[in-house]
Amino acid sequence: DTGVSQNPRHKITKRGQNVTFRCDPISEHNRLYWYRQTLGQGPEFLTYFQNEAQLEKSRLLSDRFSAERPKGSFSTLEIQRTEQGDSAMYLCASSLLWGDEKLFFGSGTQLSVL
Amino acid sequence: SQQGEEDPQALSIQEGENATMNCSYKTSINNLQWYRQNSGRGLVHLILIRSNEREKHSGRLRVTLDTSKKSSSLLITASRAADTASYFCATVETGNTPLVFGKGTRLSVIA
Repeated sequence: DTGVSQNPRHKITKRGQNVTFRCDPISEHNRLYWYRQTLGQGPEFLTYFQNEAQLEKSRLLSDRFSAERPKGSFSTLEIQRTEQGDSAMYLCASSLLWGDEKLFFGSGTQLSVL
Repeated sequence: SQQGEEDPQALSIQEGENATMNCSYKTSINNLQWYRQNSGRGLVHLILIRSNEREKHSGRLRVTLDTSKKSSSLLITASRAADTASYFCATVETGNTPLVFGKGTRLSVIA
């Protein structure tokens, strides 16, 4: 297993455009998380899935953000009508449901909104 | 969401010296974890300490937890240039999920 994979690594878009990121978790992991990180800050929780069910969403997640995890495998995070304030590193992580709550992170997708 | 606070925000030491980073948090926790992040990359789990543990070791890492003071420390002994990274503490709050991260300590180890 190669770990958590995120695509693309970098995304540059113009304000107002929609973007979609993909995360492939470690195959046997039931839980999948999305975090957002800006320069000099720690990761901020956005949402997480247990299998295909989205169990929690942060108040940071405006209605322009939507995440899915069809069939409990890969996940996508879509941002509609991007704003400059959306520029950040978007990190995906996965973990086992009955594990030691240790998260395995992908390398992230760096979003720049011009 | 509440975050832990790491102290110091930045730390610069010579290779071979020990590095100590501290973390304070606000709520009751189930466990506390430390992660490392190299520039522009994802986070890597280093060590987990449960609320009923006081100290834990892993290689050159030593973590302590004081639940009465709601604080933890991470000690890296005999630091190397390759230890240069940002270090984050993260807590799992009692009866809650997911991990809540602090703002991190940026460690620079000078060869």
